[in-house]
Amino acid sequence: GAVVSQHPSRVICKSGTSVKIECRSLDFQATTMFWYRQFPKQSLMLMATSNEGSKATYEQGVEKDKFLINHASLTLSTLTVTSAHPEDSSFYICSARLAGGPVVDTQYFGPGTRLTVL
Amino acid sequence: GENVEQHPSTLSVQEGDSAVIKCTYSDSASNYFPWYKQELGKRPQLIIDIRSNVGEKKDQRIAVTLNKTAKHFSLHITETQPEDSAVYFCAATTYNNNDMRFGAGTRLTVKP
Repeated sequence: GAVVSQHPSRVICKSGTSVKIECRSLDFQATTMFWYRQFPKQSLMLMATSNEGSKATYEQGVEKDKFLINHASLTLSTLTVTSAHPEDSSFYICSARLAGGPVVDTQYFGPGTRLTVL
Repeated sequence: GENVEQHPSTLSVQEGDSAVIKCTYSDSASNYFPWYKQELGKRPQLIIDIRSNVGEKKDQRIAVTLNKTAKHFSLHITETQPEDSAVYFCAATTYNNNDMRFGAGTRLTVKP
């Protein structure tokens, strides 16, 4: 149980284009999903918290107009990197937190999306 | 906000030895402390977690200890195996808080 999928797993795009990444909780409902960014050999940096039916909460320093987040349902959150530039190249990982139940704090991670902007 | 520090950054042990990774946190309100294992290019996998109402938790070869007074918690892996080689992250947050902070990670290498 508690499986999170992410699509695509890998994407290469040209500078200036937009890229959408999907995060799905496959066998549970997630009122809250999280988007992280991870640079090589570094830790996970929280970008934003995605709440179903409401606006995302962004961490300080993360541009909300550049990283658009939509959490349209209890099982799907999307991250759109708009007008991507080479410095946006990174490993983007989402996680989902169970809604209700005895373990409400555990985050389950998706497999990640490696974005390369040429 | 919460700040989590993790040590060491790299750890190399011989197969069968024990490995210990330590983390400290700054926010005394934090009360949930998970540990994740991440293999190269893959997702972080939850391996064990502990809540502030207990001081120790064990799951087979893995154990976690928590000292709330000192604000530190540790991961202990006994009888290490080569497949334990990975990067391990500690994290801290409060219940239902959307602000989980991760340590910088420890790259564990278990030599056969």
